[in-house]
Amino acid sequence: EVQLVESGGGLVQPGGSLRLSCAASGFTFSSYEMNWVRQAPGKGLEWVSYISSSGSTIYYADSVKGRFTISRDNAKNSLYLQMNSLRAEDTAVYYCARQRSHDAFDIWGQGTMVTVSS
Amino acid sequence: DIQMTQSPSSVSASVGDRVTITCRASQGISSWLAWYQQKPGKAPKLLIYAASSLQSGVPSRFSGSGSGTDFTLTISSLQPEDFATYYCQQANSFPRTFGGGTKVEIK
Repeated sequence: EVQLVESGGGLVQPGGSLRLSCAASGFTFSSYEMNWVRQAPGKGLEWVSYISSSGSTIYYADSVKGRFTISRDNAKNSLYLQMNSLRAEDTAVYYCARQRSHDAFDIWGQGTMVTVSS
Repeated sequence: DIQMTQSPSSVSASVGDRVTITCRASQGISSWLAWYQQKPGKAPKLLIYAASSLQSGVPSRFSGSGSGTDFTLTISSLQPEDFATYYCQQANSFPRTFGGGTKVEIK
């Protein structure tokens, strides 16, 4: 079964750090581009970051640029999001999503909740 | 950045109704548009990619059309399991952007 499973969410104080992980199974992870997408409580979807299949090309939303770092380990079939200098407005469910070639997000994880609060 | 504007933001409909949701891009995106369905507490699910291609396993009552800046998602005969929120997303360029969502509610 094709599956993505996120982990690493939790409660963190403003200014703190958190590292999210996304474990992939059921497909050749190294062949796919990957993304992080978040959704604040009661709000819509917001794209966060993209990484190419090899990891050589990376993009970020302006709202997280300089604070978040996306990475992947193809040997471990895993995607990561290192989040530093967290703010209250980063509170959201974070989803990892597989991208069809240059296209839509066809497989999503179940999401992991990140709460930034003192 | 490309802005995606969905309308309406919500629609009340009955089972069996035809429902149409529109999405407008602030600049041309060719056919690089996807539609997703999201139910409360669940991850989004891909319905349509490349503006009009039906994702595998998605019922044929869902269809998409359009190109350039104007796009449409149509549900030909609304079923009970279709009550959800729908989002469009442009896949033309980074940053990827989503529409604000359309909530389809029971009338």
